[in-house]
Amino acid sequence: KNEVEQSPQNLTAQEGEFITINCSYSVGISALHWLQQHPGGGIVSLFMLSSGKKKHGRLIATINIQEKHSSLHITASHPRDSAVYICAVRLNAGGTSYGKLTFGQGTILTVHP
Amino acid sequence: NAGVMQNPRHLVRRRGQEARLRCSPMKGHSHVYWYRQLPEEGLKFMVYLQKENIIDESGMPKERFSAEFPKEGPSILRIQQVVRGDSAAYFCASSPSSDGEQYFGPGTRLTVT
Repeated sequence: KNEVEQSPQNLTAQEGEFITINCSYSVGISALHWLQQHPGGGIVSLFMLSSGKKKHGRLIATINIQEKHSSLHITASHPRDSAVYICAVRLNAGGTSYGKLTFGQGTILTVHP
Repeated sequence: NAGVMQNPRHLVRRRGQEARLRCSPMKGHSHVYWYRQLPEEGLKFMVYLQKENIIDESGMPKERFSAEFPKEGPSILRIQQVVRGDSAAYFCASSPSSDGEQYFGPGTRLTVT
C-alpha cells in the first residue's frame, strides 16, 4: 500500500464545474504539497500546507492532520486547468524534518469546454 | 529572479554511454533535490544535497548513479553506462532551507536508445 493515495485517478469535468481531488496518507508528516504538471511539462508547486486551509485564486487546499487527509478544490473549472495534480508529503523523520517528498500517483484532470 | 534551470531539456543517449544532467537552483537556494519520473509512474525521490554535501541518497540506485553539488556551479546528476530502464524525466527542485517550499525545474527527459 502506498504511503500517499490520491482519488480519483482520473477526473473529467465540464467547464465551470466545482472539482475536488482527495489525498490520504498513512504516515506522520510535517507538510503536504499540491503540485500541478501539464503533459510533457514541468512541475509547478501550487500549495504547501501544514494545517488549515490556503486559497489562491480559484484554487483552495485544505488539510486535516488528525484524519491524515487533504483536498484540493478548483472552483469554476476551465479547460486550462486540465493537468495532472499531484499530492506529496514531507515525512516526519524522527524529529528531523527536511524536504524529501513522497508522492501520490497523481490525478489526471480533463476539463471540457 | 530566474527559476530553477535544468539542462539539457532533452537528452538522447545510446546504451552504455554516460548522461550528465545539470540543475542550477534559484538564487540564494542551497538545497537541491533530485526526483525521477519513470514512464507511467509517479515521481520518486532520488537524492538530497546541500552545498558540497550529500545529505540523503536513499533513493539513488546503488550503481551507476552519482550526484554532486559543488561550491560553485550547478548540481550534477550523473548516470554511467545508461540502460533503457534509465529512460525517464528527471526533475530537480531547490529550496532556501531544509524544510522550505520547493521550486521545481522544467525537467530533463532522458531517452536511452
